[in-house]
Amino acid sequence: EPEVTQTPSHQVTQMGQEVILRCVPISNHLYFYWYRQILGQKVEFLVSFYNNEISEKSEIFDDQFSVERPDGSNFTLKIRSTKLEDSAMYFCASNKQGASNQPQHFGDGTRLSIL
Amino acid sequence: GNSVTQMEGPVTLSEEAFLTINCTYTATGYPSLFWYVQYPGEGLQLLLKATKADDKGSNKGFEATYRKETTSFHLEKGSVQVSDSAVYFCALSENNNNDMRFGAGTRLTVKP
Repeated sequence: EPEVTQTPSHQVTQMGQEVILRCVPISNHLYFYWYRQILGQKVEFLVSFYNNEISEKSEIFDDQFSVERPDGSNFTLKIRSTKLEDSAMYFCASNKQGASNQPQHFGDGTRLSIL
Repeated sequence: GNSVTQMEGPVTLSEEAFLTINCTYTATGYPSLFWYVQYPGEGLQLLLKATKADDKGSNKGFEATYRKETTSFHLEKGSVQVSDSAVYFCALSENNNNDMRFGAGTRLTVKP
C-alpha cells in the first residue's frame, strides 16, 4: 500500500538555524498538509496546500514557516531561525480529494530537536 | 470553533478486557469523524471513520458510532490485545475547512 514518507526521521539543529523537513506524499494525492505535535500535547494543524499554493494555515504558521512543492514528488516545510519551542514531531499528510470525509494519510513524522 | 475532547489517559487494561475511550466534539456544521492510532515510534494511522450521523465505523475489532444527539464518537473494543497498546486520537474534519482537528490522545497499555 502506498505510503507518505518523511525524511529525516530525526533532525537536530542549533537554535537560530534554518531547517527543511521533507515529505513525499502518496503519488496520486493532490492535497498536502503539515501538522505538529509538541511532546505530550495534541496534534496541531499547521498548513494545507493544493495546486501549488497554501489553501489554509493556522495561527501557528507565521512568517517563520514556509512550504514548497519544488518538484512533482516532494513537499517541504521550511522553518527559518528556529527557536527552542519549535522542538516537536512534524507530520506530513496527504489525501486525494481534500474533502472532509476523506481521511488524511500520515507519514511517520520527523522529530525536530532544537538545541 | 471546531474542537475535539477525548478521555484523558493513560488507560491500562488487562488482555481481553473491554475498552471504551470517550470522545466528544464541537462543530458548527456536519463534520466527519475519525479515530487514528499511533503505535510506538510510528506515525498516525487511520483506524476508522464515520461521515454522517448514526454511521458506525469499524476496523480490527474496534467500533465507534457517530452520535449527533450527544456529539460523541466513543471508541470501543470488546476484547483488547497486548498489540493494541498505542495512543488513540479522535479527530474531526468539516466541509468548510480541510484541516483536521485532533483530540489530545489517549495512551492505552494492555498487559498480558
